[in-house]
Amino acid sequence: NAGVTQTPKFRVLKTGQSMTLLCAQDMNHEYMYWYRQDPGMGLRLIHYSVGEGTTAKGEVPDGYNVSRLKKQNFLLGLESAAPSQTSVYFCASSWARGGTDTQYFGPGTRLTVL
Amino acid sequence: TQLLEQSPQFLSIQEGENLTVYCNSSSVFSSLQWYRQEPGEGPVLLVTVVTGGEVKKLKRLTFQFGDARKDSSLHITAAQPGDTGLYLCAGAQMGTYKYIFGTGTRLKVLA
Repeated sequence: NAGVTQTPKFRVLKTGQSMTLLCAQDMNHEYMYWYRQDPGMGLRLIHYSVGEGTTAKGEVPDGYNVSRLKKQNFLLGLESAAPSQTSVYFCASSWARGGTDTQYFGPGTRLTVL
Repeated sequence: TQLLEQSPQFLSIQEGENLTVYCNSSSVFSSLQWYRQEPGEGPVLLVTVVTGGEVKKLKRLTFQFGDARKDSSLHITAAQPGDTGLYLCAGAQMGTYKYIFGTGTRLKVLA
């Protein structure tokens, strides 16, 4: 099993450009999450999904959109990138609802917006 | 907005020393998790504590959940260079699918 994979690993964008980050998991997990990690701030939840076809907003959703058309994939989109979106983005998945279940994280995508 | 404050933010110690990392909040969580993250990788779960007052041991690591389920601590005995990394606590918000992550403690253990 590959676990959770993220594509791409690195990306540099210019302000105003758009891009999509892809997260894929092969563990048949229902729940998937997108976080961003900035120095001194831990991980902050952007959006999450509790099942195929569903999405919901997290702590910092502005400027991002997500889609979960297939259970194994969770896409994060930036329609018009801004320098404030420079960060490391992590995707995670879990089997059951939040609380006691393990979140499995991908290796991250390092995004720089110039 | 719920916050999880971790202290200290940075810690550099010699091999063999003991240390404690704290995770504090004014909010109650249904459970609390501790993760370790190494450079260039995603966080990896170390432990989940669920019951107030619960203590769990994982080899040289001891985790405690506060009685009121608002805080937690991680104690490492006889630290080793392999313990170096970023330690994150994460609280599960009551009745939701969401986790709030702490600000992180960056530990460096010198040989």
